[in-house]
Amino acid sequence: AQSVTQLGSHVSVSEGALVLLRCNYSSSVPPYLFWYVQYPNQGLQLLLKYTSAATLVKGINGFEAEFKKSETSFHLTKPSAHMSDAAEYFCAVSAGAGSYQLTFGKGTKLSVIP
Amino acid sequence: SQTIHQWPATLVQPVGSPLSLECTVEGTSNPNLYWYRQAAGRGLQLLFYSVGIGQISSEVPQNLSASRPQDRQFILSSKKLLLSDSGFYLCAWSIQEGGLAGETYEQYFGPGTRLTVT
Repeated sequence: AQSVTQLGSHVSVSEGALVLLRCNYSSSVPPYLFWYVQYPNQGLQLLLKYTSAATLVKGINGFEAEFKKSETSFHLTKPSAHMSDAAEYFCAVSAGAGSYQLTFGKGTKLSVIP
Repeated sequence: SQTIHQWPATLVQPVGSPLSLECTVEGTSNPNLYWYRQAAGRGLQLLFYSVGIGQISSEVPQNLSASRPQDRQFILSSKKLLLSDSGFYLCAWSIQEGGLAGETYEQYFGPGTRLTVT
């Protein structure tokens, strides 16, 4: 079985500061990992995905995430926060190749302070 | 390209009334389809998923049901709504398992339906 823990339900950063959103996973098989973003009253949009090809994954809007097997982590980062990054972010895990069900974390709401 | 539609966008219904939410996908064939509910502070809860016409799997026992009358159409229904059914309902699709090495099944979400039961 897979599970995801997102540390911090709410994170605040200043505009221009580093964004770091934490995600730890548990999986009995090599996982596939995903980050999604949700703006208010909208659906989820895929930011990036890890599928074992490369441990550092680049996504849209300047975000990237690094897969660290030893730490069972897949933290999301962005060097410089923009006001438009304010949203809720979800980490998700699937049980690797052949598995089409995703297990989502509870989400982290990112606020960007001008 | 693929597009996913949901309607209505918002809905206010009294307790005990019926419900029908619709989701359609364009630009792909034989997708997996999913219904999620998002309640305040509770993240995403998978309600149903379907791997084909007429094939529905329920993840959570409740007074909701789902149907897939056509390949790219997924409907969420209830005969009698409860206050606890309020929330943001999201439909999503992913490709079907094709057996190709390296295939991933990320899900693509619709815009959602905000349901308020009064």
